[in-house]
Amino acid sequence: DAKTTQPNSMESNEEEPVHLPCNHSTISGTDYIHWYRQLPSQGPEYVIHGLTSNVNNRMASLAIAEDRKSSTLILHRATLRDAAVYYCILRVLYNTDKLIFGTGTRLQVFP
Amino acid sequence: NAGVTQTPKFQVLKTGQSMTLQCAQDMNHNSMYWYRQDPGMGLRLIYYSASEGTTDKGEVPNGYNVSRLNKREFSLRLESAAPSQTSVYFCASSESLLGLVGYTFGSGTRLTVV
Repeated sequence: DAKTTQPNSMESNEEEPVHLPCNHSTISGTDYIHWYRQLPSQGPEYVIHGLTSNVNNRMASLAIAEDRKSSTLILHRATLRDAAVYYCILRVLYNTDKLIFGTGTRLQVFP
Repeated sequence: NAGVTQTPKFQVLKTGQSMTLQCAQDMNHNSMYWYRQDPGMGLRLIYYSASEGTTDKGEVPNGYNVSRLNKREFSLRLESAAPSQTSVYFCASSESLLGLVGYTFGSGTRLTVV
């Protein structure tokens, strides 16, 4: 199964942009790239997903490399409520349906 | 608020005891999933159900059984609990099996097996 690699932790100041990187060099052509975040003692929360093209929604933007071997989640203006563990996940759909979770990036946001 | 509801929120079992974790969603989603999360790790898929009446194994199905009771409800059963099953269990649902939308997760059941 394809795997993702993320930095263990990142820091940001409030109201600054944050770029969270993810490598997925063994991604298959049918795998979707999903991002979720998880606050302490809560279930993961969907953030955004994409296949080949860059995506924007009210929470964030997703930039996908042309070869799809890496992607970046962009939080345009970090707030204290954005402090969480962010998971870059591949949704594997060939002969199955599962989210392959990595270890995630713990984002700290400072006032 | 609409979403995924899990019961109970906390449970302590003795080794060998059985229990059923309940999950219900009110979003009319076709697909439902059970995951477990061990400390400091990401989630791993136990079982999933693409639609009412169907279930399939995920990455770590051993020691568990599931039932898709109807479109709303998907239960996870531990027949003989073991300390290795101490974990936080998350139920999730999704509108489509085809990866076109995200999952909605419940708030989890924290299970300790002693």
